[in-house]
Amino acid sequence: DIQLTQSPSFLSASVGDRVTITCRASQDISSYLAWYQQKPGKTPKLLIYVASTLQSGVPSRFSGSGSGTDFTLTISSLQPEDFATYYCQQFHSYPQTFGPGTKVDIK
Amino acid sequence: EVQLVESGGGLVQPGGSLRLSCEASRFTFNSYWMNWVRQAPGKGLEWVANIKQDGSEKYYVDSVMGRFTISRDNAKNSLDLQMNSLRAEDTAVYYCARALRGYNGQCDYWGQGTLVTVSS
Repeated sequence: DIQLTQSPSFLSASVGDRVTITCRASQDISSYLAWYQQKPGKTPKLLIYVASTLQSGVPSRFSGSGSGTDFTLTISSLQPEDFATYYCQQFHSYPQTFGPGTKVDIK
Repeated sequence: EVQLVESGGGLVQPGGSLRLSCEASRFTFNSYWMNWVRQAPGKGLEWVANIKQDGSEKYYVDSVMGRFTISRDNAKNSLDLQMNSLRAEDTAVYYCARALRGYNGQCDYWGQGTLVTVSS
């Protein structure tokens, strides 16, 4: 199975900060990676698909990059509504797997 | 707006069975891969299973292989997950999720989830 690791597991940031979350795959997954945002008590929301394509309706301050084994999700200027947990997911191979999540909290 | 509504969750004893259903509406159901994803209380997301548009391909996470069966009825726009031999570690909220068109993953719409609790 392909393992995904995310770093950091937790980060504390302020409104307006630039935030970068990293997702690393245990083997080459090309660009078969998605990013999700989940707020407490809510369902996950797709932010980025195929590593770098912004999902419709998602603010442009979110961006994704990377291919192969190393990927990043960047929030260019953190907004109050962005405090949430972020997950990466690979769909290159079965079983599909999610990363453990990165919780972004208010500093 | 796409709608996915799960049902069938509840409390079940270890070793028991449960059948989850997901009713889909407002999109062409038979054009999309469909997925089940679960989330144990306070934990992260875990992909469980998915099924191709015509039901010809089905995939599972190892931990449920042989115990869970995913199926779909395109005439009824419904997705099911038959869960047998349930274990405490299957306790979670189960989400029905639609994959992006043309892909088998990357879910753009999710149901609200149904809670499955396995406990004696």
